[in-house]
Amino acid sequence: DSGVTQTPKHLITATGQRVTLRCSPRSGDLSVYWYQQSLDQGLQFLIQYYNGEERAKGNILERFSAQQFPDLHSELNLSSLELGDSALYFCASSVDASGYQETQYFGPGTRLLVL
Amino acid sequence: AQSVSQHNHHVILSEAASLELGCNYSYGGTVNLFWYVQYPGQHLQLLLKYFSGDPLVKGIKGFEAEFIKSKFSFNLRKPSVQWSDTAEYFCAVAGPPGGSQGNLIFGKGTKLSVKP
Repeated sequence: DSGVTQTPKHLITATGQRVTLRCSPRSGDLSVYWYQQSLDQGLQFLIQYYNGEERAKGNILERFSAQQFPDLHSELNLSSLELGDSALYFCASSVDASGYQETQYFGPGTRLLVL
Repeated sequence: AQSVSQHNHHVILSEAASLELGCNYSYGGTVNLFWYVQYPGQHLQLLLKYFSGDPLVKGIKGFEAEFIKSKFSFNLRKPSVQWSDTAEYFCAVAGPPGGSQGNLIFGKGTKLSVKP
């Protein structure tokens, strides 16, 4: 158990819908990262928040957005869902912001299925 | 842009065989390197990491990796695999902070199947 929690574990929804994935980082960690894992793209970095502020952006679609709240939990919002958004979404956390000499600890993931 | 290549998509070994999984990265500057493991149905767990110092890094569960800067490689090794090592292994690189690509770039992963 990494100490990072994610809810829900599974999510089934229809195309065009909007969903929210939630992540709570390890106690004391200020950075939260979101990754998408799909069969064709592999593990791709989406976005990072540090202490409430967006820190780095990766291959995140405009239909996706995220935020980090004062209690440091984070939410990833996915809207206008398409079949291709079906994937495993991981959240990770680390103590600091740089991500450079940081170890990221991963949550169990949310498996999203868009029908 | 940084990238990470893992040469083997699927490796099948018998128990007690030796393992070496290849990983090459493209970034030419100072990098930090990681190997993560994902057991079936579980989340990613850190196996080992290299930041600086001794290029031979020892991790958990008997795994080790060697950083060879001249070859841009960070191969994962284990002298004798067990059935419980069946999992998917991901190599990842973190470049200097401030990059627009984000902080951790993953390879496509190598599935390891160990036959009892």
